[in-house]
Amino acid sequence: QVQLLQSGSELKKPGASVKISCKASGFMLNAYSLNWVRQAPGQGLEWMGWINTYNGKPTYGQGFAGRFVFSLDTSVSTAYVEINSLRAEDSAVYYCARERNYYFGMELWGQGTAVTVSS
Amino acid sequence: SYVLTQPPSVSVAPGQTARITCGGDQIGSKSVHWYQQKPGQAPVMVVYYNDDRPAGIPERFSGSNSVNTATLTISRVEAGDEADYYCQLWDNTSDHWVFGGGTKLAVL
Repeated sequence: QVQLLQSGSELKKPGASVKISCKASGFMLNAYSLNWVRQAPGQGLEWMGWINTYNGKPTYGQGFAGRFVFSLDTSVSTAYVEINSLRAEDSAVYYCARERNYYFGMELWGQGTAVTVSS
Repeated sequence: SYVLTQPPSVSVAPGQTARITCGGDQIGSKSVHWYQQKPGQAPVMVVYYNDDRPAGIPERFSGSNSVNTATLTISRVEAGDEADYYCQLWDNTSDHWVFGGGTKLAVL
């Protein structure tokens, strides 16, 4: 079955780090670009950036360079986003989404991973 | 940076036609995609490349794009269409994806 499977919900304290995974199932991850999208509670979708699954090069959207790190482990068809120095405002649902190219948009999404940052 | 403007909400009676707009500078020259998101669920693409439908999306969903406005049209609206809808495009000036702010569709 073609799907993106994300890791489970996380509860973290401010200042900690979290690493979210997104595993490709039923297709070759390196045939697509892999995007990350954030959705804060009650808010809209915000593009965080993407990772080139062919060469591993990350590109960060506005406001996501620095504490956010995209990575890949092609041996297990999995992409990751690590968020360092967590703040309360990082509490959100994080989605991964695959994209063939910009003509076709993000046609497959993971189920989302909820991150809660609270002391 | 490129901005996409959507109305916060649209209301429609069952069986009627809903039109959700997405405004942007010269958006008609770009490829616009639309996503449906129901509460607690991940977004689902309903229209891509302005007016194409992914497999499994009902023909009731259609898109158009001209000059400064793209439109998602939902014909014969059903209660199950109640959701948030987002437009999206690739801004090739910044090389970034851009989402509209989203529109909540209420089925009265």
